[in-house]
Amino acid sequence: DADVTQTPRNRITKTGKRIMLECSQTKGHDRMYWYRQDPGLGLRLIYYSFDVKDINKGEISDGYSVSRQAQAKFSLSLESAIPNQTALYFCATSDPTTDTQYFGPGTRLTVL
Amino acid sequence: AQSVTQLGSHVSVSEGALVLLRCNYSSSVPPYLFWYVQYPNQGLQLLLKYTSAATLVKGINGFEAEFKKSETSFHLTKPSAHMSDAAEYFCAVRSGTYKYIFGTGTRLKVLA
Repeated sequence: DADVTQTPRNRITKTGKRIMLECSQTKGHDRMYWYRQDPGLGLRLIYYSFDVKDINKGEISDGYSVSRQAQAKFSLSLESAIPNQTALYFCATSDPTTDTQYFGPGTRLTVL
Repeated sequence: AQSVTQLGSHVSVSEGALVLLRCNYSSSVPPYLFWYVQYPNQGLQLLLKYTSAATLVKGINGFEAEFKKSETSFHLTKPSAHMSDAAEYFCAVRSGTYKYIFGTGTRLKVLA
């Protein structure tokens, strides 16, 4: 089984809809991250969390919110989706002893 | 603030030829640098990392990178490209607060 899973893998929605992307990890690490990937822009950090009670904004948090329901679960919400939020979204967890990030397979989100 | 710059968004090499993917960093403190690879329709996975132990770092699949402080570079190389190396490669730097800043990526194409 994959260490980091994301659901859904693909989602098409309409402008103004609320969307939640879910992430679960079995690595047992405290640190989790949400990124979005756009062609030519690489990965940009949306939010990150170092434990259940510690949530921090990344460089592009406007229009997004997160919830850390447990050590293993970190959800990303788009309160009112807009077309420029169309992107590939990745969840990751990092191992503090090896400084390695483990990524999920991604969620491709299209906002019409 | 730390940052990385990847030169060349697309690189093409012939099978068996040298692979050279360029990454320059900016950091006011000794950096922790990484190369990640993304195969089509997958998340990112770690290729190698520099954590100040040795300037020449060997990674998986025959890749290596050399940290050059004088040139603020961390270029990725592989002596002989294989068709399976076709992917997108990301350079990243870790900030002191355990955020990871990614470059814009270089897509490697291997020609038969």
